[in-house]
Amino acid sequence: KAGVTQTPRYLIKTRGQQVTLSCSPISGHRSVSWYQQTPGQGLQFLFEYFSETQRNKGNFPGRFSGRQFSNSRSEMNVSTLELGDSALYLCASSLAGGEKLFFGSGTQLSVL
Amino acid sequence: GQQVMQIPQYQHVQEGEDFTTYCNSSTTLSNIQWYKQRPGGHPVFLIQLVKSGEVKKQKRLTFQFGEAKKNSSLHITATQTTDVGTYFCAGPGSGNTGKLIFGQGTTLQVKP
Repeated sequence: KAGVTQTPRYLIKTRGQQVTLSCSPISGHRSVSWYQQTPGQGLQFLFEYFSETQRNKGNFPGRFSGRQFSNSRSEMNVSTLELGDSALYLCASSLAGGEKLFFGSGTQLSVL
Repeated sequence: GQQVMQIPQYQHVQEGEDFTTYCNSSTTLSNIQWYKQRPGGHPVFLIQLVKSGEVKKQKRLTFQFGEAKKNSSLHITATQTTDVGTYFCAGPGSGNTGKLIFGQGTTLQVKP
């Protein structure tokens, strides 16, 4: 069974640009969560999707958005990038949400 | 808001010494999960504890869930260099919406 796949693995952007990150969950998993990881802040919850519906959102500005497609694949978008958005963005999938999470390798975003 | 705190933030031990990380939640948890992230890697699920006072062992790792279901600990006996990494605890957010709140993590360094 393939694991959680995130693309791209690395991204370099400049301030003001926008970026879209992609996540393909494990087959059969309907819940996809996104986390931002930085050295000083640990793993911060961004949002969680289940069956194309956003069920919960973390304390991030509206520049951070996401969506989930009917095949459970998910994307997150960050608009008007800021230097502080530089981080590892991790996607995790689970069967229904709240139980054991399977993480992807993450997308390392650098904003210059 | 709901918080999950972990101590210590860092721990350096000599190979063969024991190691313990502690996790405290501001609210009662229905369950607690532990993850390990190797340097340069992504978090990997270790275990989930559900019952009050539960103790589970995985080889040299012992996990405990407090009686009040607000705290937990991970103890590693006779550390090895393969134990190096960051250990996170995580608890469900309020409501059954698939949100997991992670502690800040404890980074373990093992000197051979």
